[in-house]
Amino acid sequence: GAGVSQSPSNKVTEKGKDVELRCDPISGHTALYWYRQSLGQGLEFLIYFQGNSAPDKSGLPSDRFSAERTGGSVSTLTIQRTQQEDSAVYLCASSTSAQYGGDQPQHFGDGTRLSIL
Amino acid sequence: AQSVAQPEDQVNVAEGNPLTVKCTYSVSGNPYLFWYVQYPNRGLQFLLKYITGDNLVKGSYGFEAEFNKSQTSFHLKKPSALVSDSALYFCAVRDRSNYQLIWGAGTKLIIKP
Repeated sequence: GAGVSQSPSNKVTEKGKDVELRCDPISGHTALYWYRQSLGQGLEFLIYFQGNSAPDKSGLPSDRFSAERTGGSVSTLTIQRTQQEDSAVYLCASSTSAQYGGDQPQHFGDGTRLSIL
Repeated sequence: AQSVAQPEDQVNVAEGNPLTVKCTYSVSGNPYLFWYVQYPNRGLQFLLKYITGDNLVKGSYGFEAEFNKSQTSFHLKKPSALVSDSALYFCAVRDRSNYQLIWGAGTKLIIKP
């Protein structure tokens, strides 16, 4: 498909388990973002990847959260030892290069709805 | 600190009436300005952006937005609302020297038949 793809669309897991969320960006997009959105609320920035540069991890809420991007394409967000407050929708977005304040919009996937029991 | 404000949590409009969703910002310089829409259980979709030039920009689904530099506002408008316009709308701003978008909290738009 031409859009950003995220999987799984829904994930229910028990407190304390680890989860992995996947994002497949639009082909050719060098910038990739992860956001967290609580029910009906705004977006919380988590992490940003740009090409082969070191990612901006400044938004990750704790060291239980990590993300990687392999080969400049697919990204995985991992949450270890999940807590109930991690329950949210996790959104991934990609764009063409965003360096130096580019004007290109971000394209979003439909998100992963994570529920921690 | 840089910020984006969407002063209304919810806007209610009758179908066929004009609608306005407000956005003001506090960002240095001449930022890029964006509007996105989010339908239930979906990701955000890009509607329109202001980069430079004409203060009135047109976007998808008949929406437009007016940039006002003196008031640092970028209000979203549509001349005649449709029930299908009901959704969550986000304003976002990017400083031209930065890659990060600064997001508003969102405004829920409800169009009543």
